[in-house]
Amino acid sequence: QVQLVQSGAEVKKPESSVKVSCKTSGGSFSNYVISWVRQAPGQGLEWVGGIVPIFDVTNYAQQFQGRVSITADKSTSTAYMELSSLRSEDTAVYYCARGLDPQTIFGPMGYWGQGTLVTVSS
Amino acid sequence: EIVLTQSPGTLSLSPGERATLSCRASQGVSRSKLAWYQQKPGQAHRLLIYGASSRAIGIPDRFSGSGSGTDFTLTISRLEPEDFAVYYCQQYSSSPLTFGGGTKVEIK
Repeated sequence: QVQLVQSGAEVKKPESSVKVSCKTSGGSFSNYVISWVRQAPGQGLEWVGGIVPIFDVTNYAQQFQGRVSITADKSTSTAYMELSSLRSEDTAVYYCARGLDPQTIFGPMGYWGQGTLVTVSS
Repeated sequence: EIVLTQSPGTLSLSPGERATLSCRASQGVSRSKLAWYQQKPGQAHRLLIYGASSRAIGIPDRFSGSGSGTDFTLTISRLEPEDFAVYYCQQYSSSPLTFGGGTKVEIK
């Protein structure tokens, strides 16, 4: 079955960057969007952006434009989310999720990773 | 941006009871591109419903979704102990993809 395994927790200083990985197994990697969603402590879910590896097409939420980069390595079936200029408000659990529908960024998220806690603190 | 408002914030019910969760959109969600997810502590999120009313693979038929346009509903016909969790709706008809604030279904 499809599984998504994320990298471990990170503690970062303000103004630094973090890169979180999401390795997938089972099913096709390239044909389905990998989305990134975050959840701040005690808060709801917030979409960060996504990538469709087969097209290398990305789409980001406007509030992260210029600070986020989502990439995919088809050879290892791994997606990455890099967030720069970190601030305390970026402290959250970051989830990757694989889409249910092929070749579209805009679809339901059928499979989720376990989440990666990113803590931004001086 | 489509804003999704879920109500109630918390639903206190007993096992065996019916749960009705609401998700209202600030503008129409085209082609019913709305999904529902379940979140439980220590577990990966689970897709329950997509396309407003289609159950994902492996989801019991006590879960059902309905609605169109701006008003959507998730119904759990008879709550099982494992159903007590937080539920989120999400629209995927336009960018940015957005989620509702969540409804917590707790044991009364």
